[in-house]
Amino acid sequence: GAGVSQTPSNKVTEKGKYVELRCDPISGHTALYWYRQSLGQGPEFLIYFQGTGAADDSGLPNDRFFAVRPEGSVSTLKIQRTERGDSAVYLCASSLMGGQVEQFFGPGTRLTVL
Amino acid sequence: QQQVKQSPQSLIVQKGGIPIINCAYENTAFDYFPWYQQFPGKGPALLIAIRPDVSEKKEGRFTISFNKSAKQFSLHIMDSQPGDSATYFCAASMRSGSARQLTFGSGTQLTVLP
Repeated sequence: GAGVSQTPSNKVTEKGKYVELRCDPISGHTALYWYRQSLGQGPEFLIYFQGTGAADDSGLPNDRFFAVRPEGSVSTLKIQRTERGDSAVYLCASSLMGGQVEQFFGPGTRLTVL
Repeated sequence: QQQVKQSPQSLIVQKGGIPIINCAYENTAFDYFPWYQQFPGKGPALLIAIRPDVSEKKEGRFTISFNKSAKQFSLHIMDSQPGDSATYFCAASMRSGSARQLTFGSGTQLTVLP
């Protein structure tokens, strides 16, 4: 596709449930980033992949959050035992290479935990 | 050290006015300063960016002014239009290993009245 795509666009779940959020980066982009945007705030970094490996996961808030990118393209962000405080828009971005400055963002997945 | 402070939180101007949004940073390791525009329900889109070795950059109606000694930078929108109504985020980036994390400001909601 032409840009970064994310599915689903909206996800409503109940406290304690498990969710998976998917990101499909721009074709050929080796670097992939996940950010979280709370209401009225700027995005905050969660995790960065270069290829298949998580090169920097320092932004993950706790061990309930996990992300994978098994084939170096599509990535899945996984949240276990969801809490109401996890409600936010989860944004994915990609860039051609890890050190490249320009990141292209997807439309995000709005997660609501009831 | 990682924070980027942005002001004002919201801004209302008349069509044709010149809104100015300001940002300040602390970490002198930042070496790339982009501005993102975000419409409701969409991901952030890169608008314009600057490196600290220049004091000003213009692209169309958008200008970044950069003051390295004060560690401040600002976005000016010339001849603003109602279609410019959006949330604007400043950000700062530095290389960390193979990654380039973006640290975002808290955003400015701009409304341009017709």
